[in-house]
Amino acid sequence: KAGVTQTPRYLIKTRGQQVTLSCSPISGHRSVSWYQQTPGQGLQFLFEYFSETQRNKGNFPGRFSGRQFSNSRSEMNVSTLELGDSALYLCASSLGEGTYNEQFFGPGTRLTVL
Amino acid sequence: AQKVTQAQTEISVVEKEDVTLDCVYETRDTTYYLFWYKQPPSGELVFLIRRNSFDEQNEISGRYSWNFQKSTSSFNFTITASQVVDSAVYFCALCSGHSNSGYALNFGKGTSLLVTP
Repeated sequence: KAGVTQTPRYLIKTRGQQVTLSCSPISGHRSVSWYQQTPGQGLQFLFEYFSETQRNKGNFPGRFSGRQFSNSRSEMNVSTLELGDSALYLCASSLGEGTYNEQFFGPGTRLTVL
Repeated sequence: AQKVTQAQTEISVVEKEDVTLDCVYETRDTTYYLFWYKQPPSGELVFLIRRNSFDEQNEISGRYSWNFQKSTSSFNFTITASQVVDSAVYFCALCSGHSNSGYALNFGKGTSLLVTP
């Protein structure tokens, strides 16, 4: 069974631009969650999607948004990029709804904002 | 508010030593879940264990064991006879919330474990 895949793996953008990251969950998994990992703040929960609905959102500004498609694939968008958005963005999937389930993580997308 | 504290930022041990990673959590919810995840140098987090708040039974899986104590709000992780392959960053996490508003997973800052030959 293929694991969680994230594309692209690396991305370089400049301030003010926007970016879209993609996540394909494990086949059959309907829940997708996104996390931001930085050296300073550590791992922080962004949001969770289940059956195309956002179920929970972390404490991030509205510049961070996401969506989930009918095939459970998910995208995350960050608009008006800031230097502080440089981070490793991790996607995780699970069978059921709720981040209290065992989650399977992808390798992440390393975003650098210049 | 939910909070996870991993006081040990870095630990270095020699192979075959036992090592315990500490985790202290805070939550006002009576139902919650505790996790340990491992992040090797490759970057992907790997699930190790999940415990719910109603199950204080300790668990052993091979060289790994977990001690959950609600009285001290701790969920410590012990690696017995450590190996070089255990070198990674280990995260303790707390998930709590409500079915209406959803559940958020809060991670500790992580403990970087280095096992040297």
